[in-house]
Amino acid sequence: QKEVEQDPGPLSVPEGAIVSLNCTYSNSAFQYFMWYRQYSRKGPELLMYTYSSGNKEDGRFTAQVDKSSKYISLFIRDSQPSDSATYLCAMSFSGGYNKLIFGAGTRLAVHP
Amino acid sequence: DADVTQTPRNRITKTGKRIMLECSQTKGHDRMYWYRQDPGLGLRLIYYSFDVKDINKGEISDGYSVSRQAQAKFSLSLESAIPNQTALYFCATSDLGTSGRTDEQFFGPGTRLTVL
Repeated sequence: QKEVEQDPGPLSVPEGAIVSLNCTYSNSAFQYFMWYRQYSRKGPELLMYTYSSGNKEDGRFTAQVDKSSKYISLFIRDSQPSDSATYLCAMSFSGGYNKLIFGAGTRLAVHP
Repeated sequence: DADVTQTPRNRITKTGKRIMLECSQTKGHDRMYWYRQDPGLGLRLIYYSFDVKDINKGEISDGYSVSRQAQAKFSLSLESAIPNQTALYFCATSDLGTSGRTDEQFFGPGTRLTVL
């Protein structure tokens, strides 16, 4: 079993839809939860960062962490064609340097 | 100009050839990383370096070696390339954030390597 599971998609939605992207994980010691966005032919870039449980909102994006269920989500409101990309979740443990464990990534296409 | 650059961007080579992928950064970060990305497997860490004298193996280091020539330069070598090393390779950098926070990593644009 992988430490971090993520549905690879692809996920295709119409412009303006609410998008829900999810990851599950097996190690309850993860404390830091991130979402990276990767456009085609580009490297990933950090989109959202959350420590421990709870929600974090940034514009049209909301990240949620449910540690009791070992489940994290990224919601995109009013999705735009420019949101079309691959979204990777990533996690790490607390303290010092801990390597990032990435999900496989979900490919999202938002069509006009 | 990009903060993290990788050369070459694309490379096709043959089995058994030695290949070097190069990474340079202007962010002034001490920490540098090499990852490979495969469909369905996400990003996997090959090697990482916290400074010029500190090199560490990641989860999939077999068949790879690295050299940290300077704070700004980190090279990945495939001594004898094999077809299952065909993948996208990314270099990343980071700096220690505020106390207790894990690092944000900044990625280069990637090198697409094909081994025939």
